[in-house]
Amino acid sequence: QLQLQESGPGLVRPSETLSLTCTVSGGSIRRPTFHWGWIRQPPGKGLEWVGTIHYGGSTSYNPSLKSRVTISLDTSKSQFSLSLNSVTAADTAVYFCARSYSSAWGESFDYWGRGSLVTVSS
Amino acid sequence: DIQMTQSPSSLSASVGDRVTITCRASQTIASYLNWYQQKPGEAPRLLIYAASTLPSGVPSRFSASGSGSDFTLTISSLQSEDFATYYCQHAYGPSFTFGPGTKVDFQ
Repeated sequence: QLQLQESGPGLVRPSETLSLTCTVSGGSIRRPTFHWGWIRQPPGKGLEWVGTIHYGGSTSYNPSLKSRVTISLDTSKSQFSLSLNSVTAADTAVYFCARSYSSAWGESFDYWGRGSLVTVSS
Repeated sequence: DIQMTQSPSSLSASVGDRVTITCRASQTIASYLNWYQQKPGEAPRLLIYAASTLPSGVPSRFSASGSGSDFTLTISSLQSEDFATYYCQHAYGPSFTFGPGTKVDFQ
């Protein structure tokens, strides 16, 4: 059974960089039909797609975050990572990592991590 | 960017009720539409993909339809474990947007 686990600091200071890692186990991170993504959810609010990376390294980002986001992949460690710079309180959220399955009808997030709460505060 | 809207934003229902949630895209997206269920404190769960296809393990009381810009999710007979928030998401890349969610709670 595929499992994803987020890890990283739970507290980040304003203007600094938020960094999270997702470790994938129970399956390969290298299969071409899968992308790997980050979705976030501010407390009490809805889901916001942050970005996605393909096993080959190509990326797509939410246009509203694009200038601040980088997603990278380390296949040797079965991990992918999120970096979000110049954070503000508005970036406080639970950050989920997820597998995106690519089919004829687009991308669907079929496996999720449990989520990691990141609070931006001084 | 494609924007997604959902209605209603919340609804109250009882066990056994038939529940319908609608989702609308700001432009046509064919059948590039997914539905997720999220319970408090949990990660979302993929409920429907390709507008109407149930992944393995999703109960058959869930169904969905639609194409183009208008979509619906139906729960034929609401069970206690179905009280949750439901999100639609357009699946046509490179950018993927979620709807604002519909909360289904006890009447």
